[in-house]
Amino acid sequence: GNSVTQMEGPVTLSEEAFLTINCTYTATGYPSLFWYVQYPGEGLQLLLKATKADDKGSNKGFEATYRKETTSFHLEKGSVQVSDSAVYFCVPREGGSQGNLIFGKGTKLSVKP
Amino acid sequence: NAGVTQTPKFQVLKTGQSMTLQCAQDMNHNSMYWYRQDPGMGLRLIYYSASEGTTDKGEVPNGYNVSRLNKREFSLRLESAAPSQTSVYFCASRLDRGDSYEQYFGPGTRLTVT
Repeated sequence: GNSVTQMEGPVTLSEEAFLTINCTYTATGYPSLFWYVQYPGEGLQLLLKATKADDKGSNKGFEATYRKETTSFHLEKGSVQVSDSAVYFCVPREGGSQGNLIFGKGTKLSVKP
Repeated sequence: NAGVTQTPKFQVLKTGQSMTLQCAQDMNHNSMYWYRQDPGMGLRLIYYSASEGTTDKGEVPNGYNVSRLNKREFSLRLESAAPSQTSVYFCASRLDRGDSYEQYFGPGTRLTVT
């Protein structure tokens, strides 16, 4: 079945460090791919997206590239801030018009000053 | 725009009590969703509604019922709450056009069943 695998957290970084959160997925066809972020005590917010192979999604300094050949969508940021501390979810969308989102456990990021 | 709103924000129930979680969206979206999130877990889909008047089961529908009251509102009902339903519940709606179909989430309802 469809699934997503993210690196296990928690990930702890110092401010201004480089961030990579790995994500690979299995899904039929070529699904849309999303990164959602959940700040403490809040709902999920869409961070970025990519809808086809080789697309690069970007927002707030975060980037991820849709790699069809490796079925990956790794999240990167060149210099993290304390305010980036949150849980990050890599979320493929199932195919078809009703295609639902596929959630894994997410990766908790803590950024220390 | 308010986006997706949920009420209440917090609720404590005793085992066997019933309650309804309310969700509304003002973005004119067709599809709406209910998820639950347990500690250290991702979101699991309870029910969804592709359009007004239709509802479908998701991954974990047992113990829940839903009503798509109109295009804006989608409620989740627990008829007889159980401790296993202690969770954070999120409602979402989806933009059914374009090429990505992203979902927009509400702030959540934190439910404790004792």
